[in-house]
Amino acid sequence: EVQLVESGGGLVQPGGSLRLSCAASEFIFSRYGMNWVRQAPGKGLEWVSVISGSGESTLYADSVKGRFTTSRDNSKSTLYLQMNSLRAEDTAIYYCAKNLLPASVSHDSFDIWGQGTMVTVSS
Amino acid sequence: SYVLTQPLSVSVALGQTARITCGGNNIGSKNVHWYQQRPGRAPVLVIYRDTNRPSGIPERFSGSNSGNTATLTISRAQAGDEADYFCQVWDSSAVFGTGTKVTVL
Repeated sequence: EVQLVESGGGLVQPGGSLRLSCAASEFIFSRYGMNWVRQAPGKGLEWVSVISGSGESTLYADSVKGRFTTSRDNSKSTLYLQMNSLRAEDTAIYYCAKNLLPASVSHDSFDIWGQGTMVTVSS
Repeated sequence: SYVLTQPLSVSVALGQTARITCGGNNIGSKNVHWYQQRPGRAPVLVIYRDTNRPSGIPERFSGSNSGNTATLTISRAQAGDEADYFCQVWDSSAVFGTGTKVTVL
């Protein structure tokens, strides 16, 4: 079964850093663009970033640009989100999500989602 | 930035048809995707590129897109269809709609 499992969430102080991971299984990870999407408590979905299958291309939402960095290790079928200079408004469940089509980066739908990992930014 | 507007809530009687709209400027020129999110669960893709259903999604779910409005239609609504539904497009970035809570009466 195609699966994504996030980890690394937790409580962090404002201004702090955290790195999330997303382990993929049962599909050829390197062929697919991968996304991070977040959801603040009781709120809607907000797209955060996408990375191409090769890892050479990335796009970010304006709200995280310059603070968050998405990377991937295709040898480990793992996606990462490095979050720096965290703010209270970054508090959310963070989901990783796979692009539907191979080779696409943007302009695609997200067909597989992980269960999410909670990040809380508070002093 | 591109804005997608959805009704806050839609109610539907058991077995009847629910229609959820997603409004955006000339949205008919974009590919619209729809997600279902049950409470405490991750989103699930139910419609991609306006009208296509992923494998495992019932035929009761259908989509359309024209002009300034895309629509997700749920036919023969069941209790299990109660969830939040989000539309999504790509502009300069991925954009999600505000979300619609569907209640089955």
